[in-house]
Amino acid sequence: DVKVTQSSRYLVKRTGEKVFLECVQDMDHENMFWYRQDPGLGLRLIYFSYDVKMKEKGDIPEGYSVSREKKERFSLILESASTNQTSMYLCASSFSGLAYEQYFGPGTRLTVT
Amino acid sequence: AQSVSQHNHHVILSEAASLELGCNYSYGGTVNLFWYVQYPGQHLQLLLKYFSGDPLVKGIKGFEAEFIKSKFSFNLRKPSVQWSDTAEYFCAGRGRNSGYALNFGKGTSLLVTP
Repeated sequence: DVKVTQSSRYLVKRTGEKVFLECVQDMDHENMFWYRQDPGLGLRLIYFSYDVKMKEKGDIPEGYSVSREKKERFSLILESASTNQTSMYLCASSFSGLAYEQYFGPGTRLTVT
Repeated sequence: AQSVSQHNHHVILSEAASLELGCNYSYGGTVNLFWYVQYPGQHLQLLLKYFSGDPLVKGIKGFEAEFIKSKFSFNLRKPSVQWSDTAEYFCAGRGRNSGYALNFGKGTSLLVTP
């Protein structure tokens, strides 16, 4: 079974704090993704990575950065958390290629106060 | 690449009723379409996917979807729902960027009542 794990299920941070969300996959997938899930908006892509140290912006990258130093690990960084970043964050991974679906982690519910 | 739109945001059905959730996609080259499900408190998981070939796709847990090119639709169906089908359902199409990311619809929340 593919396993995508995320470092925390729930996180509460204060405005202005630097926040790290970590994701690890165990299937040697090339691609990794960070999405944000908000009610009524579905999932929106923040960033993705197709190889170690390679990254591309998604649809809503503002206020976020990412890091991929090892193939199995993909980190999302909120440089200075704001209340409008309160959301559910989902990590996903997949093999490279159109035929492959994405596997999702359980999500991190982040609250910024 | 496809963007997708889902018609229904909230659906309430009784057990044993038939289900059809609408999804329309915009044309954009090779068609790759997916339905994902998120049960309460669980992670998103794939129900089914369409890449080519037979337009009637069968997935897990008795779900199926039909790709109708002329209508730009990929509706999800199940002949008889159970209480355990209560979940949020997302249609997705392949994104426009090179990372094979998915464009998700806004989701449909399904409540099945006993």
